Amino acid sequence: KAGVTQTPRYLIKTRGQQVTLSCSPISGHRSVSWYQQTPGQGLQFLFEYFSETQRNKGNFPGRFSGRQFSNSRSEMNVSTLELGDSALYLCASSPGQAVYEQYFGPGTRLTVT
Amino acid sequence: EDQVTQSPEALRLQEGESSSLNCSYTVSGLRGLFWYRQDPGKGPEFLFTLYSAGEEKEKERLKATLTKKESFLHITAPKPEDSATYLCAVRGDGSARQLTFGSGTQLTVLP
Repeated sequence: KAGVTQTPRYLIKTRGQQVTLSCSPISGHRSVSWYQQTPGQGLQFLFEYFSETQRNKGNFPGRFSGRQFSNSRSEMNVSTLELGDSALYLCASSPGQAVYEQYFGPGTRLTVT
Repeated sequence: EDQVTQSPEALRLQEGESSSLNCSYTVSGLRGLFWYRQDPGKGPEFLFTLYSAGEEKEKERLKATLTKKESFLHITAPKPEDSATYLCAVRGDGSARQLTFGSGTQLTVLP
């Protein structure tokens, strides 16, 4: 079975711009979660989607948003980028029904200059 | 609020020198404790899920154990390829499906 895929793998943006990251979960998985990983804060939960509905959201500003499509693929968007948004953005998928293991993709490395 | 503390922050071992990594947690209604391995620049790789105190799981040179307050990841006779950051995460009743991660233990195994 193919794993979680994320595109693009690397991205360089300028302050004030916006960015969209994409995630394709493992086939059959209906839950997609997004995390931000930085050296100082570690892995922090952004949000989770299940069957196109956001079920939970972490403590991030409204500039961070996401959505999930009917095929379970998900996108996250960050508007008005700040330098502090530079991070590894990780997507994780799980079957979603009382199965809690999450399987991570390789991540998108975002650098904001 | 769920909390996870991992120790030590960094660990250097000689090849073949066994040791243990610690994960202490506070959670309301544990639904699962998870161990991941992360190599530099890559996403975390799932290793184990533990659900209840007393449970143990093994995979090659790794063995994970769970008590009511902590989990240990035992590494037996490690090899240089075991070098990575090991992350512990929990999910509780009140955490609304999110995983709460510790800051990880960076393991280096020297040949």
